[in-house]
Amino acid sequence: SYVLTQPPSVSVAPGQTARITCGGDNIGAKSVHWYRQMPGQAPVLVVHSDSDRPSGIPDRFAGSNSGNTATLTISRVEAGDEADYYCQVWDGSTDHLYVFGSGTTLTV
Amino acid sequence: EVRLLESGGGLVQPGGSLRLSCVASGFTFRNYALGWVRQAPGKGLEWVSTIFGSGGRTYYADSVKGRFTISRDNSKNTISLQMNSLRADDTATYYCAKDHDRGVVGSILWYLDSWGQGTLVTVSS
Repeated sequence: SYVLTQPPSVSVAPGQTARITCGGDNIGAKSVHWYRQMPGQAPVLVVHSDSDRPSGIPDRFAGSNSGNTATLTISRVEAGDEADYYCQVWDGSTDHLYVFGSGTTLTV
Repeated sequence: EVRLLESGGGLVQPGGSLRLSCVASGFTFRNYALGWVRQAPGKGLEWVSTIFGSGGRTYYADSVKGRFTISRDNSKNTISLQMNSLRADDTATYYCAKDHDRGVVGSILWYLDSWGQGTLVTVSS
């Protein structure tokens, strides 16, 4: 089955830019989606289809996808951005509709 | 506003059964695929199962195939997950989640745009 690789943690100072990567074999050919999960809460979709933002998600959140790496970029990071972030794709080689990465903890 | 409310979690012995339910509101229920995603304590997200808006198609993760059954009642805006032969590694918070579309065979775009708050299932003797 398809495997997504994320760094366990990313640390950034307030006001700086955080980049969270999601690696996969030719992931650039897939649509990548990103979720944020605050401690003790349910996940929330923050980017879908590589780079589209759902309504209500600030434009500080941006996604890109090329080659073997997709990236979630969070600009002007705030303390409230501390959370776990998960990437997700559809695995076309199996019936696994949603494949999640292992998650990255963002520390501000 | 989309709302997904799970219920049915609890403590169950290994080998036992449990039935989870999710009541939805705020959208045209039959037009969307829904499913379950679980998260073991301190671990990441794991997709469990999905059912098309029509109810005509279901999908399962390998880890639950043959033990879990997903169903929906479009007249009651409810989906359910019947979990049998439960094991300790099924212990997790189970989230009900809505896909962005109704579910189409051959679709390559699958993502979850709304989630419930989750219900905890603990499998232990």
